[in-house]
Amino acid sequence: DSGVTQTPKHLITATGQRVTLRCSPRSGDLSVYWYQQSLDQGLQFLIHYYNGEERAKGNILERFSAQQFPDLHSELNLSSLELGDSALYFCASSVAETVNYGYTFGSGTRLTVV
Amino acid sequence: SQQGEEDPQALSIQEGENATMNCSYKTSINNLQWYRQNSGRGLVHLILIRSNEREKHSGRLRVTLDTSKKSSSLLITASRAADTASYFCATGLPSNTGKLIFGQGTTLQVKP
Repeated sequence: DSGVTQTPKHLITATGQRVTLRCSPRSGDLSVYWYQQSLDQGLQFLIHYYNGEERAKGNILERFSAQQFPDLHSELNLSSLELGDSALYFCASSVAETVNYGYTFGSGTRLTVV
Repeated sequence: SQQGEEDPQALSIQEGENATMNCSYKTSINNLQWYRQNSGRGLVHLILIRSNEREKHSGRLRVTLDTSKKSSSLLITASRAADTASYFCATGLPSNTGKLIFGQGTTLQVKP
């Protein structure tokens, strides 16, 4: 157990639907990162939050949004889902805002859009 | 776009042998990190090497960094079947944001 909790572990949903992925960071970590992993694109950075504030955005589609709450857990919302959104979605946390520390990853949410 | 490219894409060795994976990147970095991922699971942080360091060790792992060639290597000595996994390099940029950019990974198979 890495200390980063992601729920649900698996999600199967239909095209056009909306889902919410949840992440609880490791205790004491203030940064939360979301990544998408697919076979053809590899690990793609989506978004970074630090202590409730958005810090960096990557290749995140407009249909996707995220937030970090006061208790530091984060949610990634995916809407108008398409088949191509099927992937593993990882949350990672780290203690600081900067890149000087390693990430602790959760076990991921496997999203299948049918 | 990917910052890091690992080489080889796949590697198969016998238990007890050493495994070497290479990573090349395109821009200046603050640090470079290596992660391991067992099939379909979360990534595990292995080691971080800063841009002003040339070599770092952690147990059976040895990482080198050559900033002039924009490359790094990960050596796993005396490999075990449990080392079978995908290995990713990730670069942290000098802008010092928290974002890491991951390469495509090397898949290592260690045969017992």
